[in-house]
Amino acid sequence: GESVGLHLPTLSVQEGDNSIINCAYSNSASDYFIWYKQESGKGPQFIIDIRSNMDKRQGQRVTVLLNKTVKHLSLQIAATQPGDSAVYFCAENPPGGAQKLVFGQGTRLTINP
Amino acid sequence: NAGVTQTPKFQVLKTGQSMTLQCAQDMNHNSMYWYRQDPGMGLRLIYYSASEGTTDKGEVPNGYNVSRLNKREFSLRLESAAPSQTSVYFCASSGASGTDTQYFGPGTRLTVL
Repeated sequence: GESVGLHLPTLSVQEGDNSIINCAYSNSASDYFIWYKQESGKGPQFIIDIRSNMDKRQGQRVTVLLNKTVKHLSLQIAATQPGDSAVYFCAENPPGGAQKLVFGQGTRLTINP
Repeated sequence: NAGVTQTPKFQVLKTGQSMTLQCAQDMNHNSMYWYRQDPGMGLRLIYYSASEGTTDKGEVPNGYNVSRLNKREFSLRLESAAPSQTSVYFCASSGASGTDTQYFGPGTRLTVL
């Protein structure tokens, strides 16, 4: 059968445009969510996080939106730059004390010049 | 500060061989984690250590053992490597709170023939 993991969702945008990356999470009781950026050959790098008692949080050029009703998370990147090209992962922290992150499959963002 | 360091960067093993992946952090973090990342997929938690002297299983612990040697170091051991363990292994560390950011190392790319 098909291995879903080998078909990474992709998003291509023009340099300078805004991009939106979406993520569906699985556990309605998760209380903490994070977006990571992973460049080729490197470990994941923290971008922005949000707690479940918030629905929006802004950073430098990035905004995370949380919709708990439909268990959806999105990452908005403003005025994309070539350096934004990477794979972006969302992660959720289910309840239970220790931080046992569950990662999404990831989205590959490509910035076209 | 070096952050999270991992050794080796690359390793090739034959089926049945054993090896230990090393991880160290210099951020005085209480919690440390081991993940694996298969091609085109997100990270999956193998084991974690919430504090020095404690370890717990994550999502995919079978075939692995860990040792929290001290506060700085957390090692992952494969006793009898199998081709299914071919993956990229990432170590991470964080503070003790469930909402503290996890910082990742550069990864170890392991191939089991």
